[in-house]
Amino acid sequence: QQQVKQSPQSLIVQKGGISIINCAYENTAFDYFPWYQQFPGKGPALLIAIRPDVSEKKEGRFTISFNKSAKQFSLHIMDSQPGDSATYFCAASLSVRFGAGTRLTVKP
Amino acid sequence: DGGITQSPKYLFRKEGQNVTLSCEQNLNHDAMYWYRQDPGQGLRLIYYSQIVNDFQKGDIAEGYSVSREKKESFPLTVTSAQKNPTAFYLCASRNSGGSPYEQYFGPGTRLTVT
Repeated sequence: QQQVKQSPQSLIVQKGGISIINCAYENTAFDYFPWYQQFPGKGPALLIAIRPDVSEKKEGRFTISFNKSAKQFSLHIMDSQPGDSATYFCAASLSVRFGAGTRLTVKP
Repeated sequence: DGGITQSPKYLFRKEGQNVTLSCEQNLNHDAMYWYRQDPGQGLRLIYYSQIVNDFQKGDIAEGYSVSREKKESFPLTVTSAQKNPTAFYLCASRNSGGSPYEQYFGPGTRLTVT
């Protein structure tokens, strides 16, 4: 049962570049879309989240773009840094359904 | 410090033995969750509890059991019926009456069964 589909599975970006991770959901009742960041051996931590009544939310270098009609949302990391290297998960609604994760590597 | 603690960080067991993973939170959160994480499969929901003395099965509850006798505690037992128990287990909590719906995660327990 996969209600949230995430892509790509892995991503390699040069320092200073833009990292883009995409998610698609199925259930139109979902009303909260967070992104979590996880470093190896640690639990995930909330990075940024959006409600479906807005199309974009920006916090520092991190931006969520939301397309309600397409049932898709994406995470953009501007000016990617080696310290951003981690696994990123999208989730939907009460965070009980997660995407499969994207392993981001930012090369110096 | 407020947060979620999971113990132990690493756990080793022989096949056929039941094992209980601890999860404690002092955030006064109503809801608690257990996830299993395997490489390439993200986080899969095992069980969750919205209130004391009540819990619901998630997507992969078979071979697991939980209890919620106290608000602060939500232990997970991995039984011998779980066919592939080796994994990274994450506990999370959330204030079900609050906004936003952010979940707070513990540091995880890595279980290895041989």
